[in-house]
Amino acid sequence: NAGVTQTPKFQVLKTGQSMTLQCAQDMNHEYMSWYRQDPGMGLRLIHYSVGAGITDQGEVPNGYNVSRSTTEDFPLRLLSAAPSQTSVYFCASGRGGNTEAFFGQGTRLTVV
Amino acid sequence: ELKVEQNPLFLSMQEGKNYTIYCNYSTTSDRLYWYRQDPGKSLESLFVLLSNGAVKQEGRLMASLDTKARLSTLHITAAVHDLSATYFCAVDPDYNTDKLIFGTGTRLQVFP
Repeated sequence: NAGVTQTPKFQVLKTGQSMTLQCAQDMNHEYMSWYRQDPGMGLRLIHYSVGAGITDQGEVPNGYNVSRSTTEDFPLRLLSAAPSQTSVYFCASGRGGNTEAFFGQGTRLTVV
Repeated sequence: ELKVEQNPLFLSMQEGKNYTIYCNYSTTSDRLYWYRQDPGKSLESLFVLLSNGAVKQEGRLMASLDTKARLSTLHITAAVHDLSATYFCAVDPDYNTDKLIFGTGTRLQVFP
């Protein structure tokens, strides 16, 4: 099992560019989520999904879109990148409830 | 709005000493998670606490949960350098969604 795989690991974008951060899991987990991590602020939930076709907003959803067409994949889209979106992004998956969520290795995004 | 607060934010301690990290949260929840993060790395699950009075131990770390006080503690016994990392607590306010709300983290540094 590869677990939770995020690509790319590093990315530099110019303001206004768009991109998609990829997240895939091979553990057949129903639940997937995206977080951003900024210094001194812990991790903040962007979007989450409780199954294919079902997504909802988290704490900081503005500027990000998601979709979940398959159980395995949960991409995060930045439609028009802004410097405020410079951060480290983590994808997580899990079975919910009584077990822990598993995190990917992160994508370090810089918007200039 | 659910708030999760950790203290201290930074902890520098000598090897062999004991200390406790506190995690307070502002809404009813009986699910609390502790994670560890090494610099530049992903998050690693340490403990899953699922009910009032739950206590779990792994090596020099012991975690407990008091849902009535909305408080979890992570106790470190006889610290060693390898425990140097950032520790996060997280609360799942909605059953079965993996919709985690994180504390800001406690950066632990253990010195000889």
